[in-house]
Amino acid sequence: GEDVEQSLFLSVREGDSSVINCTYTDSSSTYLYWYKQEPGAGLQLLTYIFSNMDMKQDQRLTVLLNKKDKHLSLRIADTQTGDSAIYFCAEKGTGGFKTIFGAGTRLFVKA
Amino acid sequence: GAVVSQHPSWVICKSGTSVKIECRSLDFQATTMFWYRQFPKQSLMLMATSNEGSKATYEQGVEKDKFLINHASLTLSTLTVTSAHPEDSSFYICSASGNIGQGEGTEAFFGQGTRLTVV
Repeated sequence: GEDVEQSLFLSVREGDSSVINCTYTDSSSTYLYWYKQEPGAGLQLLTYIFSNMDMKQDQRLTVLLNKKDKHLSLRIADTQTGDSAIYFCAEKGTGGFKTIFGAGTRLFVKA
Repeated sequence: GAVVSQHPSWVICKSGTSVKIECRSLDFQATTMFWYRQFPKQSLMLMATSNEGSKATYEQGVEKDKFLINHASLTLSTLTVTSAHPEDSSFYICSASGNIGQGEGTEAFFGQGTRLTVV
């Protein structure tokens, strides 16, 4: 079945860039997403990319997609302490609305 | 973005009682709603998918008689945990997907989650 994998932990210093990586197995993915979850809260959609794109930039966020390698990354420029959260990579395939989530990467930003 | 409201945000109940969690789409019509369960430090596990006016589709291993889902309207879905036990304690999150008219794809929007504690 479909699978999404991402590293579980990332620590960066405030002001540095953060890069969170994700790999997926479904070659028919249509949309790929990045969500942010703060402690005790639901998920917030940060950004998404359509599968026929290879890059999307939105303010401090840059998403890179390598469809051949099924690799997705999220770069956060000038990381702030408020960016500390869990970041989930997710993909939606041809099955319709079902979204498959990775286990989440816990980003810790040191002041 | 579109707003999904989930209520209550937390609930404590006695073992053996039932708890209802509501999920509302506030500014769009949600043709499909999803219910997830999240264990501590783990990812979201899809429990079921519901379309307005029809029976929910449960994922393998999820007891449909224990987790009752009703999607009676395009803006409301409810999850009822029946005869709750301590092992049902978890963080439950709903999401709603539909025509939000923004041309941004079919991504789902999430509620803020409900932390259920069964004592």
